[in-house]
This record gives sequence, structure tokens and C-alpha cells, in this order.
Amino acid sequence: GQQVMQIPQYQHVQEGEDFTTYCNSSTTLSNIQWYKQRPGGHPVFLIQLVKSGEVKKQKRLTFQFGEAKKNSSLHITATQTTDVGTYFCTPNFGNEKLTFGTGTRLTIIP
Amino acid sequence: EAQVTQNPRYLITVTGKKLTVTCSQNMNHEYMSWYRQDPGLGLRQIYYSMNVEVTDKGDVPEGYKVSRKEKRNFPLILESPSPNQTSLYFCASRRDGNYGYTFGSGTRLTVV
Repeated sequence: GQQVMQIPQYQHVQEGEDFTTYCNSSTTLSNIQWYKQRPGGHPVFLIQLVKSGEVKKQKRLTFQFGEAKKNSSLHITATQTTDVGTYFCTPNFGNEKLTFGTGTRLTIIP
Repeated sequence: EAQVTQNPRYLITVTGKKLTVTCSQNMNHEYMSWYRQDPGLGLRQIYYSMNVEVTDKGDVPEGYKVSRKEKRNFPLILESPSPNQTSLYFCASRRDGNYGYTFGSGTRLTVV
């Protein structure tokens, strides 16, 4: 079946360190979306990746979509306390059934 | 302000008492979706709608109903709530094309 795994589940980093979360699928994706949910908040859309090998940047955030469109990553450079939250990758297999999974919870040690 | 509005924000109810959680968006979005969020299980899709009168099941539709009579509204109906439906519920909408979802602030439901 169509499965996506996001790793790690939890990540604790010192403020100023980098952070990366990975999303891996067993099948080819149409596109992939990334969301961030702050503690006590609702998910907020960050970006969508559509093309094979695509790389997009938003300030300190870098998003990549694999060449085979089966994996993706989100990298944060020099984390800040405002980066705290859970990051979800949401793969699209070509329909509107979008499942978020458990995400990667990032905590920052000041 | 462009937004997705859910009501109520908090609700405590008893087993078996029918309830409706309303969701409204003012962005003329075609797609709308309901999710529930539970510790350790992430966000799971309950139902989604691609336009008026077009709805389909997500991953966990059992015990829920939805309707999409108007483009802006997508209510979630629990005909006979049970304690295992205690959860945090999110409604979301998006426009057609390569766009992400805009989420509401959530409804925390407790069924006792």
C-alpha cells in the first residue's frame, strides 16, 4: 500500500544548530506539502514541492524533493526558538486523501 | 480577513447525543477537509469535499457524516458520539490547483 514514513519523530537541538526532517515514500508521489504546527496551534502550510529534484528556500528553511519523487526533506539552518513545533510532510498520491502522519516534533534548547 | 472558522472551540457532550461542528470559509475554496488529531496518531483525515455536493471518505470516516450544500460550509456531524471520538478536530480548505490547506483553529471535543 501507499506508505510514508517521516523521521525522526522527535528532535532536540541546541539553539543555533541545524535541523533536518525526512519524509520517505514507498511509491512515487504527485507532490508533497510541508506544514508546521506550533504547540497548541493549528497546522500552517509552508510549501508544496511538485517537480523532481526541486529545491525551494524560505529564509532559513530549505525544502527538497527527491529525483525519484519518493522522498523529501526540510532543513532548518541555525534554529531559533520560534522554530519550535511539529513539522508534517503530507504526500499526495494523486487524490485528495491527504494524511499528515505523526510528524517530527522539534524542541529547542536555549 | 481570509479564514476558516470552526465552532465551537470546545465542547463536552455525553455519549449518544447528536452534535454538529460547523466549519465555514470565506475564501471561495473548492476543497474542504476534516481531520482529527490524537496523541501518537498524528492528523488523520475524516472526510473531504472537492466541491458542492461532492464528498468522499478519508482514512477514518466511521461514526461521522458531512455535507456540502454550499461552497463555504462543511459541517461535521456525529450522529451518536462515543468516547473514542474524543479528539481535537480541524477543518481546512484550499483552492483548486497546487495550493496548501488553510486550517481552522480547531475544536476540542470530549465525549463522556
